[in-house]
Amino acid sequence: AQRVTQPEKLLSVFKGAPVELKCNYSYSGSPELFWYVQYSRQRLQLLLRHISRESIKGFTADLNKGETSFHLKKPFAQEEDSAMYYCALSSNQAGTALIFGKGTTLSVSS
Amino acid sequence: DAGVIQSPRHEVTEMGQEVTLRCKPISGHNSLFWYRQTMMRGLELLIYFNNNVPIDDSGMPEDRFSAKMPNASFSTLKIQPSEPRDSAVYFCASSPRAGAGNEQFFGPGTRLTVL
Repeated sequence: AQRVTQPEKLLSVFKGAPVELKCNYSYSGSPELFWYVQYSRQRLQLLLRHISRESIKGFTADLNKGETSFHLKKPFAQEEDSAMYYCALSSNQAGTALIFGKGTTLSVSS
Repeated sequence: DAGVIQSPRHEVTEMGQEVTLRCKPISGHNSLFWYRQTMMRGLELLIYFNNNVPIDDSGMPEDRFSAKMPNASFSTLKIQPSEPRDSAVYFCASSPRAGAGNEQFFGPGTRLTVL
């Protein structure tokens, strides 16, 4: 069965501390993995996708097929990073929908 | 482009009433998705359409829920009759084409409260 697991509902860190939001997936084929973010009073929006291999707002995520993980990392958290983060999975075939994890709320305090 | 448009933004209704949520996808996008967000269950896919055709409605919780997409620029999600457990934020999203690594663009959501 296709599934995305985000084990932490809430992650609280201090400004400047490293952040790692965990995401594990279950998928039999070749998945596409994404991180979406929802800032307070804003729309859910794409943060990054694994195929782009890019860093957005200081965040990176590496797809580890052996561990079936796609953890989101940032070396130094900022207060403006406080938001809800969703890990999502999609088939690489056209016509399929995203499967989201339950989300992790990141709270960065000074 | 205003992005995905949803109406109403907030809806408060009484149990047993019919509720209709509306969505206008981004022009040119061929796929449209309806999600429900709750604290307990996170973001759940209810149904999605490709080229106005429903592809997967397995996430629709019960027969009380129905969705239509009469044309490429409009979709509705209807709950009849509504129940308090339907209270949630309902999101609509659109994509140039479902899957294949394409980004989904989300609307602002409709916050539904059923009393």
